[in-house]
Amino acid sequence: SAVISQKPSRDICQRGTSLTIQCQVDSQVTMMFWYRQQPGQSLTLIATANQGSEATYESGFVIDKFPISRPNLTFSTLTVSNMSPEDSSIYLCSVQQGAVNEKLFFGSGTQLSVL
Amino acid sequence: DAKTTQPPSMDCAEGRAANLPCNHSTISGNEYVYWYRQIHSQGPQYIIHGLKNNETNEMASLIITEDRKSSTLILPHATLRDTAVYYCTIAGTYKYIFGTGTRLKVLA
Repeated sequence: SAVISQKPSRDICQRGTSLTIQCQVDSQVTMMFWYRQQPGQSLTLIATANQGSEATYESGFVIDKFPISRPNLTFSTLTVSNMSPEDSSIYLCSVQQGAVNEKLFFGSGTQLSVL
Repeated sequence: DAKTTQPPSMDCAEGRAANLPCNHSTISGNEYVYWYRQIHSQGPQYIIHGLKNNETNEMASLIITEDRKSSTLILPHATLRDTAVYYCTIAGTYKYIFGTGTRLKVLA
């Protein structure tokens, strides 16, 4: 199994500012993903964080708004840029350790509120 | 990407079996069916997965139909702590797409 530390656990931010969320894993993992969960909704995949290269974004998400870094096999960051109240959500880091179709492990999430 | 359809909510009496259905009619031959649950907006927790055969572990059983177009998660003796949102998801190549999930409420 993988233990994921996600920081911060929650934050309240002002409109127009940016927040960087960190995801640290206790072991090297193959894949890292970032999900968004809006209030009362399911999980939506934002992007796949690729080690050493640009992240792969899903439809509706762009790099300028959600820049992602993954400098090594145990760490990734997601930045929510130029925030608006519509960005208020839970942001979840998820990892996959091994081969394709392996199970996902999730961090505890970052509860973001934008005023 | 294969999509899943689940009932939005279900109730189950404590101690009884909870049977949660999922439809995934567009699943491809090499895609796995995974089940996760999420309690109180925590990160989702893995429950079980399968490809073709039925599977059982300490948490649950997974029944997959022969044509693989649907599956059922079975919690054999539901407890109050099993109250959660249950997600059926299809694992494509390095990507999981989550459906809307079923909110299971276990009643005392």
